[in-house]
Parts: sequence; C-alpha cells; structure tokens
Amino acid sequence: QKEVEQDPGPLSVPEGAIVSLNCTYSNSAFQYFMWYRQYSRKGPELLMYTYSSGNKEDGRFTAQVDKSSKYISLFIRDSQPSDSATYLCAMRGRGSYIPTFGRGTSLIVHP
Amino acid sequence: DTGVSQNPRHKITKRGQNVTFRCDPISEHNRLYWYRQTLGQGPEFLTYFQNEAQLEKSRLLSDRFSAERPKGSFSTLEIQRTEQGDSAMYLCASSKETSGGYNEQFFGPGTRLTVL
Repeated sequence: QKEVEQDPGPLSVPEGAIVSLNCTYSNSAFQYFMWYRQYSRKGPELLMYTYSSGNKEDGRFTAQVDKSSKYISLFIRDSQPSDSATYLCAMRGRGSYIPTFGRGTSLIVHP
Repeated sequence: DTGVSQNPRHKITKRGQNVTFRCDPISEHNRLYWYRQTLGQGPEFLTYFQNEAQLEKSRLLSDRFSAERPKGSFSTLEIQRTEQGDSAMYLCASSKETSGGYNEQFFGPGTRLTVL
C-alpha cells in the first residue's frame, strides 16, 4: 500500500460543475497538505496548502483536511475548460522538506 | 523569466550512454530538489541540496546517478550508463529557506528523457 492514494481518473465533467478530488494517506505524521495542478508536459504548480486539519478557500478552490480519517479533498466550483489538467495531492511531515505525492487525478472539463 | 529553468527540455539517448541535465533555480532560493516522474505517477523525490551541500538522497538514486550544485546556484544531474527504465520526466524545484511556516517549492518545466 502506498503512503498516499489517489484515483487517477480520468474525471470528466461539464463546464460549470463542482469537482471533488480526493486523496487518502496512511502516515499520521503528515502535517502539511498540498494540491498541485500540472498541465500536460509542464511542471507542477502549487494551488493551495493547508497545515493540519481544517478548510481553506481561495477563489473557486476549497481544500479540506480530515486528519481523523486521513482524507483530504479539493473542491473546484464553477469548473472551466482551462481547469483541465492533472491534480496532484502531496503531503509532508512538519520536520521534512520533502513531500510525498499522489499519482494525480486527470480532470477534463468539457464545454 | 525568473522561474526555475531546466535544460535540455527533451533528451533522446541510446541505452548505455551518459546524460547530464541542468537546473537553474530562482535566484534567491537556497534549496534545490530533483524529482523523477513517470507517466501516470506523481513526482518521486531523488535528492535535495541546501546551498552546495547535498543533504538527502532517496534510495531511488542508484550509483549511476549523481547530482552536484558546485556553487550553490545551478545544479546538474548526471545519469551514467542509461537504461530504458530511466526514461522519465526529471523535474527540478527550488525553495527559499524561511524561519518558520511553509516553504513553497517552485517547479521547473522538466527534462523529458527517452532511452532507446
């Protein structure tokens, strides 16, 4: 079992839909939880990070962390075709600089 | 462009050849990371530098791999005697050390290696 599990998809939704992306993890030492977006043939770019549990909102994006269930989510409201990309969750412990990534979920938003 | 740059963007080589990749981090960033990403997978950590010191290496980094950051600025990743299993995207990232809190890693566009 991998430390971080993420469904690879693809997830196909119509424009305007609410998208829910999720990851589960097994290492209870993880404290920082990140979501990256990666377009084809590009490097990942950080969308959001959350420290410990709770919610964080940034525009159309909301990140949630439930440490008791070892489950994190990213919600995208009013999805746009430009949101079509691979979304990677990543997490690390407080004393580490090195994140462990999920395999990524491919999202397709069609007009 | 003040982001992380990597060269070359693509490299095709024959099995058994040596290859070298270069990463130029964001100028004020003292930490530099190398990752490998294969198709359908997330990035996997290879090694990390703070200034010129290589502080951590993954067990993925076999003896055929070597990385340097001689003056604490750019870094090179060399793969000797390449194998077909080395075919992947090699990503570089950099971050700035701060006194506390989260240190964001900024990724470069990657070097895609194909070993024939």
